[in-house]
Amino acid sequence: EAGVAQSPRYKIIEKRQSVAFWCNPISGHATLYWYQQILGQGPKLLIQFQNNGVVDDSQLPKDRFSAERLKGVDSTLKIQPAKLEDSAVYLCASSPRGLAGVGVAFPYNEQFFGPGTRLTVL
Amino acid sequence: AQTVTQSQPEMSVQEAETVTLSCTYDTSESDYYLFWYKQPPSRQMILVIRQEAYKQQNATENRFSVNFQKAAKSFSLKISDSQLGDAAMYFCAYRSEGDSGGSNYKLTFGKGTLLTVNP
Repeated sequence: EAGVAQSPRYKIIEKRQSVAFWCNPISGHATLYWYQQILGQGPKLLIQFQNNGVVDDSQLPKDRFSAERLKGVDSTLKIQPAKLEDSAVYLCASSPRGLAGVGVAFPYNEQFFGPGTRLTVL
Repeated sequence: AQTVTQSQPEMSVQEAETVTLSCTYDTSESDYYLFWYKQPPSRQMILVIRQEAYKQQNATENRFSVNFQKAAKSFSLKISDSQLGDAAMYFCAYRSEGDSGGSNYKLTFGKGTLLTVNP
């Protein structure tokens, strides 16, 4: 089974530029997460999708960050315009469970992580 | 809101020895999950071990075991017979039980403990 795929692996941009990250979750996984991991800290959830709907985006800086999950599969996270403090690793994760009653074979609803994208804003 | 605290920024252990990483958390919930994740330099988060709060028995996975103290809100990870491949950043994470709508599945992470294994 293929894991969570992310691209690019590395990105260097200048402040005020735009950047986009792509994530392809594990096939059949209903829930997709984007986390931001700043150097020296643990990952912090930015946004959570269930199928193609947003479940939680309370910590997403909506003035500059946006995300979408087309057709409930792939997802794109965009930053426009980037700031120096956006330098971080952006991790995508997916988990199987969807609506209540679905995914009971996965009681822990484990999150599987991709390799991340390291963003450097100069 | 839940918080997770890892008070040891760095730890080191000799190969084949045992090391314990500490984690405390704060929550008002009674049902939840706790996890330890390993993040090597490749950046990929790998699940090491999980613990359900309703289970009194401590989880074990081969050389990895936890000491879960629910009343004290403590969740430490013990690595026995440490190997060079265990060197990584270790994160303690909390997750709510979740609800029928699928929300609250987010993980809340601590700041991590960098483990060095000396040959």
